[in-house]
Amino acid sequence: EVQLLQSGGDLVQPGGSLRLSCAASGFTVSDKYMSWVRQAPGKGLEWVSIIYSGGTTYYADSVKGRLTISRDNSKNTLNLQMNGLRAEDTAVYYCARLSEVAGNWGMDVWGQGTTVTVSS
Amino acid sequence: DIQMTQSPSSLSTSVGDRVTITCRASQSISSNLNWYQHKPGKAPNLLIYAASSLQSGVPSRFSGSGSGTDFTLTISSLQPEDFATYYCEQSYSPPFTFGPGTKVDIK
Repeated sequence: EVQLLQSGGDLVQPGGSLRLSCAASGFTVSDKYMSWVRQAPGKGLEWVSIIYSGGTTYYADSVKGRLTISRDNSKNTLNLQMNGLRAEDTAVYYCARLSEVAGNWGMDVWGQGTTVTVSS
Repeated sequence: DIQMTQSPSSLSTSVGDRVTITCRASQSISSNLNWYQHKPGKAPNLLIYAASSLQSGVPSRFSGSGSGTDFTLTISSLQPEDFATYYCEQSYSPPFTFGPGTKVDIK
């Protein structure tokens, strides 16, 4: 079965760090485009980052320089290293797999979400 | 970055109604537009990809249309399980971006 299992959410102080993980089963993370999406309390979905199968990465302006997407191929896992956390990073974070059809990329498999709370 | 807008931001409707949600991109995105359904406490669910293609397992009452900058999601006959928030997303150029969402609730 194709699925993504997330871990790592926690309460962290402003300026702190956290690492989110997303373990894949049923497919190989390094063969796919993978993304992180978040939803702050009472807000809509916000696209955070993507890593292409070739390793190229992109970030939303709001997280650039503070959050880093990566893969651990030995564990078939997607990671999000979060440094310099701010209150506005408080959100439920989702990992997602992208699949391509006719040149279009859609997030067709999602993790269950993990909550990050940044507060003193 | 490409900005996405949606209208309406919310709508109150009844089971059996036809629902139409529009999405506009700040520049042409060809047909690189996806629609997601999101319910509280659950992960988002891909409904429509490439503007008009129905994702596997999604009921046929959902349909999408449009290209360039203007897109539409239609639910032909709203069912109780369809009350949710709907988001469009452009996958034309990173950073990919979501619209602000349209909340569909019960009248």
